[in-house]
Amino acid sequence: EVQLVQSGPEVKESGGSLRISCQTSGYSFKNFFLGWVREVPGKGLEWLGIIYPGDSDIRYRPSFEGHVSISADESIGVAYLQWSSLKASDTAIYYCARVMSHEGMVAGFDHWGQGTLVSVTS
Amino acid sequence: EIVMTQSPLSLSVTPGEPASISCRSSRSLLHTDGYSYLDWYLQKPGQSPQLLIYLSSYRASGVPDRFSGSGSGTDFTLNITRVEAEDVGIYYCMQALQTLFTFGPGTKVDIK
Repeated sequence: EVQLVQSGPEVKESGGSLRISCQTSGYSFKNFFLGWVREVPGKGLEWLGIIYPGDSDIRYRPSFEGHVSISADESIGVAYLQWSSLKASDTAIYYCARVMSHEGMVAGFDHWGQGTLVSVTS
Repeated sequence: EIVMTQSPLSLSVTPGEPASISCRSSRSLLHTDGYSYLDWYLQKPGQSPQLLIYLSSYRASGVPDRFSGSGSGTDFTLNITRVEAEDVGIYYCMQALQTLFTFGPGTKVDIK
């Protein structure tokens, strides 16, 4: 059974750093892209970026590039989302999600983590 | 960036009645492989989103057959033949043609 289990809620001050994690199991971690999506209350879903653990290919939404960093540890099947300088506007629920593929093309997110609430106080 | 729009933004449905949600993309989602890269997700209250439909019309594993997707190019529809109480939540369409994935604003469905 495919499972994505995320780290717990965080409360941080603006300007602080943070790393949240997504522990995967039940599939070959290195062979699937894994993405990060955030939910800002009242504003819907927004994709941040994806990583292919097999070769560390990483792609970011342009508006997030330089503000967040995505990484993965293939040896333990964990992906990370990291900030070096948080802003109040980063307050959101962050989901990791496995990317499904169809004949070599990415086709959407078929398994999701439970979400990590990040609260940033100003 | 491909912009996704949905209508309606909210929908109140009587159990057992059908429901339909429309999604439109600012560019065609039809790939040269013949598939339109459009997904539908449902986010039930307090839960993570779940995949319902991928490639415009393929039901994800475990999704009841009362859900169906149709459309190609820029115009897509999610249909629910008979709405059940457990179908409440926010429905999102998402384009997967570009790796810069983009979601629609969501359609909130509740029960009358």
